[in-house]
Amino acid sequence: AQTVTQSQPEMSVQEAETVTLSCTYDTSESDYYLFWYKQPPSRQMILVIRQEAYKQQNATENRFSVNFQKAAKSFSLKISDSQLGDAAMYFCAYLSNFGNEKLTFGTGTRLTIIP
Amino acid sequence: GAVVSQHPSRVICKSGTSVKIECRSLDFQATTMFWYRQFPKQSLMLMATSNEGSKATYEQGVEKDKFLINHASLTLSTLTVTSAHPEDSSFYICSAIQRAIGQETQYFGPGTRLLVL
Repeated sequence: AQTVTQSQPEMSVQEAETVTLSCTYDTSESDYYLFWYKQPPSRQMILVIRQEAYKQQNATENRFSVNFQKAAKSFSLKISDSQLGDAAMYFCAYLSNFGNEKLTFGTGTRLTIIP
Repeated sequence: GAVVSQHPSRVICKSGTSVKIECRSLDFQATTMFWYRQFPKQSLMLMATSNEGSKATYEQGVEKDKFLINHASLTLSTLTVTSAHPEDSSFYICSAIQRAIGQETQYFGPGTRLLVL
């Protein structure tokens, strides 16, 4: 079974600065997807970014980018120019490309933005 | 991204009553939807996989007679909490899979907060 580990329960960053959230995973599969979801105080889960394992290029969405290291099974999220609206719980998630389509979530990182 | 709605957003009920929560994919068809439960300050816990036209698949430890799931159409799944008790109070979230060639993504509803008195 796959596991996803987020070793930082809480992080904080000064507004306009850059922060990196860590995520590691364990799998024996070679083909899968990785996601970062954001859950603000409203509790709506919002997709931030996705990465296909077969792609070597790191995904980027505006101020959000990932550092995907397949051999190391690492998938960190970098948020540049942090804004107050970025404050939320961030969940890393794994999706196998074979079978049951279930997401495996990490335990989450609570990000605080300091004005 | 795709839109998934949930209704109601909040419900308060008396112990022993049943509560139905609806999950709809608004701009895409979803043959597969998921129901999660989230306790405060914790990650999402998958309860069951809802499959259009067939029986739901429940995760270990989830009572299927307690949490009835119906996926009657390609855009609607319902979760009914039967004979609700205070320990069923929680935040329930659904998600739906949008499939495109080379891409598969789960989009989440806004959640339903259930309080059983």
